[in-house]
Amino acid sequence: DTGVSQDPRHKITKRGQNVTFRCDPISEHNRLYWYRQTLGQGPEFLTYFQNEAQLEKSRLLSDRFSAERPKGSFSTLEIQRTEQGDSAMYLCASGQRPTDTQYFGPGTRLTVL
Amino acid sequence: GENVEQHPSTLSVQEGDSAVIKCTYSDSASNYFPWYKQELGKRPQLIIDIRSNVGEKKDQRIAVTLNKTAKHFSLHITETQPEDSAVYFCAASSDYKLSFGAGTTVTVRA
Repeated sequence: DTGVSQDPRHKITKRGQNVTFRCDPISEHNRLYWYRQTLGQGPEFLTYFQNEAQLEKSRLLSDRFSAERPKGSFSTLEIQRTEQGDSAMYLCASGQRPTDTQYFGPGTRLTVL
Repeated sequence: GENVEQHPSTLSVQEGDSAVIKCTYSDSASNYFPWYKQELGKRPQLIIDIRSNVGEKKDQRIAVTLNKTAKHFSLHITETQPEDSAVYFCAASSDYKLSFGAGTTVTVRA
C-alpha cells in the first residue's frame, strides 16, 4: 500500500494521559499536514510541515500538542495531559509541491475517558 | 482566515437523479478547490478538484464549477448510484492548508 498510513487506528485513554500518533506519508511527498475532525464536521487544520520544518500551527493547537517530522519522512503528533475535548479523529495528509493536492490517511480515532 | 460554507447539509435523491452541492468561500486569495468523499469510518477521498484559472471541470459523472467573482463553487453528480451515498466535503486553499465546509450527507434512494 503506497498511500498515507497512520498508527494506531484507534486509541482509548484516560484523561490526563499522554498519547502519541504516527503518520507515514506517501514516500515522495515533502508536505505533511495534520487535521482534526469531530463528528459531523469537516477536518480542521492543525499544522503542516515542509520537509522537516514545521511552517504553521493553528491556534487550535494548544501548548499540550506538539508535532515533529524529524527526518522529513514520518511525523508524530503528541498530546499531553489529554482532556475529554481532545476526543476526535486525527487525520494526516501528504502532498507534493508545487501542487496543492492532499491525500489523507485513515486517521486515528482518539477517545478520552 | 478562510471561511467555507456548504449547503445543503443533507441531500436525498432518487437513484438516477442528479445531486448538486454548493459552497461559498470568503478569501479572495483562495485558488484551489477540492472535493472529498468520505464514507463512514473511512478516510476523505479526493474525487475532483479545480483551480481558479478554470471555470469548470468534469470527470465522468462528476463535475465542478467555479465562479470566482461570486466566490462560490458547486459539485454536480449526475445519474446517481447507491455507491454515491456518503458525506461530501468542499474545501478551499490559497497555498497549503485546506479550509473545509461542514459536509453534505448524500443518500441515494434505490
